[in-house]
Amino acid sequence: SYELTQAPSVSVSPGQTAIITCSGDKLGDKHVCWYQQKPGQSPVVVIYASNKRPSGIPERFSGSNFGNTATLTISGSQAVDEADYYCQAWDKNAYIFGGGTRLAVL
Amino acid sequence: EVQLVETGGGLIQPGGSLRLSCSASGFIVGSKYMSWVRQAPGKGLEWVSVLYTGRTTYYTDSVKGRFTISRDDSKNTLYLQMDSLRVEDTATYYCARSNDYSNFFDSWGQGTLVTVSS
Repeated sequence: SYELTQAPSVSVSPGQTAIITCSGDKLGDKHVCWYQQKPGQSPVVVIYASNKRPSGIPERFSGSNFGNTATLTISGSQAVDEADYYCQAWDKNAYIFGGGTRLAVL
Repeated sequence: EVQLVETGGGLIQPGGSLRLSCSASGFIVGSKYMSWVRQAPGKGLEWVSVLYTGRTTYYTDSVKGRFTISRDDSKNTLYLQMDSLRVEDTATYYCARSNDYSNFFDSWGQGTLVTVSS
């Protein structure tokens, strides 16, 4: 079955750029989305179709997807961005999630 | 406004059954792909099952033969019947709506906690 791999944690200083990656076989051939989840809350999509940002999501969130790696970039990270981030793709009638990356902004 | 409200969670013994409900408003459940996604305490997200508009269903391997997804169009409600529950099924269960443009979840409920324990 298809698998997505994420680093467990990433840390960044406020104002710096956070890069969170998600890897999978030929992932660039698929649409990838990214969810942000804060403690005690439901996930919220911040990027869909690899590089599209839903309305209401700040411009500092961007995405790309090439080869075997999808990337979520948060430019000018803020304390409010501290959360768990999950990538997700669709493969053979199943929704696949990455294991999640905890972003610390400190 | 789209809203999803899950109910039916609780404490259940191993081997028991539980039915989760997801009441939708702001859209027609039967017009969208609808899924259940779960999250074990302190763990990541895991997709459980999807119900397509034509009522075709798919499940993750660990719940096949034990869980059944369905909907009642007259009540605009999605269900998850969970039988033969195991300790490892303990999780918060979210109802989620798929987006038409791409296969991602554009709306989530607040989740309902299922605890399987003796």
